[in-house]
Amino acid sequence: RKEVEQDPGPFNVPEGATVAFNCTYSNSASQSFFWYRQDCRKEPKLLMSVYSSGNEDGRFTAQLNRASQYISLLIRDSKLSDSATYLCVVKAGGTSYGKLTFGQGTILTVHP
Amino acid sequence: GAVVSQHPSRVICKSGTSVKIECRSLDFQATTMFWYRQFPKQSLMLMATSNEGSKATYEQGVEKDKFLINHASLTLSTLTVTSAHPEDSSFYICSGGGSYTDTQYFGPGTRLTVL
Repeated sequence: RKEVEQDPGPFNVPEGATVAFNCTYSNSASQSFFWYRQDCRKEPKLLMSVYSSGNEDGRFTAQLNRASQYISLLIRDSKLSDSATYLCVVKAGGTSYGKLTFGQGTILTVHP
Repeated sequence: GAVVSQHPSRVICKSGTSVKIECRSLDFQATTMFWYRQFPKQSLMLMATSNEGSKATYEQGVEKDKFLINHASLTLSTLTVTSAHPEDSSFYICSGGGSYTDTQYFGPGTRLTVL
């Protein structure tokens, strides 16, 4: 079983749609969780951290369920510029410089 | 956010040559830097953890004699791909985290093509 699993998609949605991505992780000792965005042939960029209480940043909402070891990302009112690969990322417990484990990514294409 | 640079951004070399990639943290000190590799249509895979002033820790399956890592200062880590072969062609990305943050910041990556 992969340490971090995501639905690879691709997701093709029209502008304005709401889309949700799911992710599960296998290491119950994982301590930090993130969503990164990666554009084609570029480095990953942090989209948002994910907390158990849930957190929202504009059109993006992330949720963490530690009991189910499940992470989600909701994008509302999709824009063309949201087209990218979304990476679910988990950091191992321990120091603040822990190893990151990446999911395989979910490809999103937003079309006019 | 913090800035990490990589050089070169792209390199094409002949099989058998060695290639050095530099990773610099420009506005913070990185005690630890990480080196990742990403093949087409795949996600990032951690190759090694680079610690300033000590030996790197390599992930299972990564040959330490082939991928030489040096982290001589708090702002510079280098990855040398020795005797590169076409199967080493990949996107190599480094990351680092400052002491003030839980986040890792990624360099722009180096695209290596071995002919």
